[in-house]
Amino acid sequence: NAGVMQNPRHLVRRRGQEARLRCSPMKGHSHVYWYRQLPEEGLKFMVYLQKENIIDESGMPKERFSAEFPKEGPSILRIQQVVRGDSAAYFCASSSGADTQYFGPGTRLTVL
Amino acid sequence: KNEVEQSPQNLTAQEGEFITINCSYSVGISALHWLQQHPGGGIVSLFMLSSGKKKHGRLIATINIQEKHSSLHITASHPRDSAVYICAVHTGANSKLTFGKGITLSVRP
Repeated sequence: NAGVMQNPRHLVRRRGQEARLRCSPMKGHSHVYWYRQLPEEGLKFMVYLQKENIIDESGMPKERFSAEFPKEGPSILRIQQVVRGDSAAYFCASSSGADTQYFGPGTRLTVL
Repeated sequence: KNEVEQSPQNLTAQEGEFITINCSYSVGISALHWLQQHPGGGIVSLFMLSSGKKKHGRLIATINIQEKHSSLHITASHPRDSAVYICAVHTGANSKLTFGKGITLSVRP
């Protein structure tokens, strides 16, 4: 009974490159949330998706960031043209509805 | 002012002590989570509660909806309890979480 999977665990990108972060929710979960944890700061909501739909993207920067959760496959958080300020830990969580969210191990993005 | 406030900011305890971590929130919520994060590690959900009290092992979580306050208690603390403890609330209709800044707990042997 695998938990929430995220990959890669660590990602290094140079400024201007693209970063793709993947999240596979727990089996049976159709709700996915992405959160960002900047260094020395608390977690912040980014986006909430259900299969093939973005439900709430109020926490996501308007430019360079996008997210999807296709019918098949993992949820993807995509950051285009990364900048140093994007360096953070990105956590994905999944749930089966309005109940406990289970967190993945996170992807630590470092932008050089 | 943050919607979710935690106190104290940092906490050091001796092994075996009873520990209380507090969380206050200023918005209407449907539920509250207590999360644990170890250094460099992932996040574990300890409790989700919307009323009353829950207990799991040495951990107890309580919530007072009228006072908008929750506490996490650790009995017979142990060095392995050293971690960041984060309070988070469900606000709005879409179940997204709003987080406190977390409390860093160190339990000395």
